[in-house]
Amino acid sequence: DGGITQSPKYLFRKEGQNVTLSCEQNLNHDAMYWYRQDPGQGLRLIYYSQIVNDFQKGDIAEGYSVSREKKESFPLTVTSAQKNPTAFYLCASSINAVYGYTFGSGTRLTVV
Amino acid sequence: AQKVTQAQTEISVVEKEDVTLDCVYETRDTTYYLFWYKQPPSGELVFLIRRNSFDEQNEISGRYSWNFQKSTSSFNFTITASQVVDSAVYFCALATSYNTDKLIFGTGTRLQVFP
Repeated sequence: DGGITQSPKYLFRKEGQNVTLSCEQNLNHDAMYWYRQDPGQGLRLIYYSQIVNDFQKGDIAEGYSVSREKKESFPLTVTSAQKNPTAFYLCASSINAVYGYTFGSGTRLTVV
Repeated sequence: AQKVTQAQTEISVVEKEDVTLDCVYETRDTTYYLFWYKQPPSGELVFLIRRNSFDEQNEISGRYSWNFQKSTSSFNFTITASQVVDSAVYFCALATSYNTDKLIFGTGTRLQVFP
């Protein structure tokens, strides 16, 4: 079945460590997105990519980095520069935004 | 500028009540697309509906119905005879023909249905 997979579901890291969240899709979608969601809050766009080897900053890119070396994969690295990294991270993919997104099941990151 | 407003932050109802979630959008484009997504407690957003700007017909799917009114720039979502399983956060979103690279999301409405 086609879909979008985020791993791991839960992630714990010590403060000051970089951590990479995985997002893989087999839907043949060109566009991929990373969102951050804090408790009781809406979705905030971190980074997005329309094609391989290209990506754009979203509204809250500081402290995060991404790569898009393959169409299927769009990993997100939460760096030590991100001051409040504890949050729920959602990855999404799309043929084109006018068709809507398919979302992954999310990764809950806790930094202690 | 494009914008989506979901003024209702949280709604609580008792099971079997009808409930309407409001969504107001702003865009200067004449061609645009509106969406509703459901985010249950598990966290994954689930697609509910997509509607383009040229189709103002209301849509019904089981207990769910959507009222699209261009005159008021609204795309409201009604759940009839709500159930506990409807408890979730619901997001309204907008995409336009001018800005096709990402969806514009509202801030979401948390619906709690009590037994």
